[in-house]
Amino acid sequence: DAKTTQPNSMESNEEEPVHLPCNHSTISGTDYIHWYRQLPSQGPEYVIHGLTSNVNNRMASLAIAEDRKSSTLILHRATLRDAAVYYCILPNTGKLIFGQGTTLQVKP
Amino acid sequence: EAQVTQNPRYLITVTGKKLTVTCSQNMNHEYMSWYRQDPGLGLRQIYYSMNVEVTDKGDVPEGYKVSRKEKRNFPLILESPSPNQTSLYFCASSLFWGDGYTFGSGTRLTVV
Repeated sequence: DAKTTQPNSMESNEEEPVHLPCNHSTISGTDYIHWYRQLPSQGPEYVIHGLTSNVNNRMASLAIAEDRKSSTLILHRATLRDAAVYYCILPNTGKLIFGQGTTLQVKP
Repeated sequence: EAQVTQNPRYLITVTGKKLTVTCSQNMNHEYMSWYRQDPGLGLRQIYYSMNVEVTDKGDVPEGYKVSRKEKRNFPLILESPSPNQTSLYFCASSLFWGDGYTFGSGTRLTVV
């Protein structure tokens, strides 16, 4: 299974952009790149996913490196409600393997 | 509203008493799976199902059973619960394995 590496924690100021990095150097050509987040006392929440091209939705943007060995989740304007654990995952034929993720702190 | 519904939300039971945690989705998703979350160990997959009548083991299947007789339901069965199965359980579904996953709100199970 392809593995992902994320920083344990990051800090951001409210209303500033946040760039959350993820390395996945062993990614295969058919691996999608998924991002989820988990707010305190809640279940994981889908954020965004992509295969090769950059993706945008109402929550965030996903920037995928040309060689696909890394990606960056971009929150354009962090709010206090974005404080959560963010997981970068490469689903493998049905298996979602959650690592430790990045704990994002947002300061007012 | 598109959602994954788990029941019950909270359950306290005794060792050895069979129980079932239900999971239902209303999005016609083919893929469903179960996870448990424990402090320090994160989220780990128990079982998954790629379609009706197709199930496979995840990383921690011991002590659990599942069935997928119809597309919308994927119950998790603990035939003889033990205290080490005390955990927070999540069900998830997606249109196919590479698509985005929708998670349920969780079931907090305590086995005494």
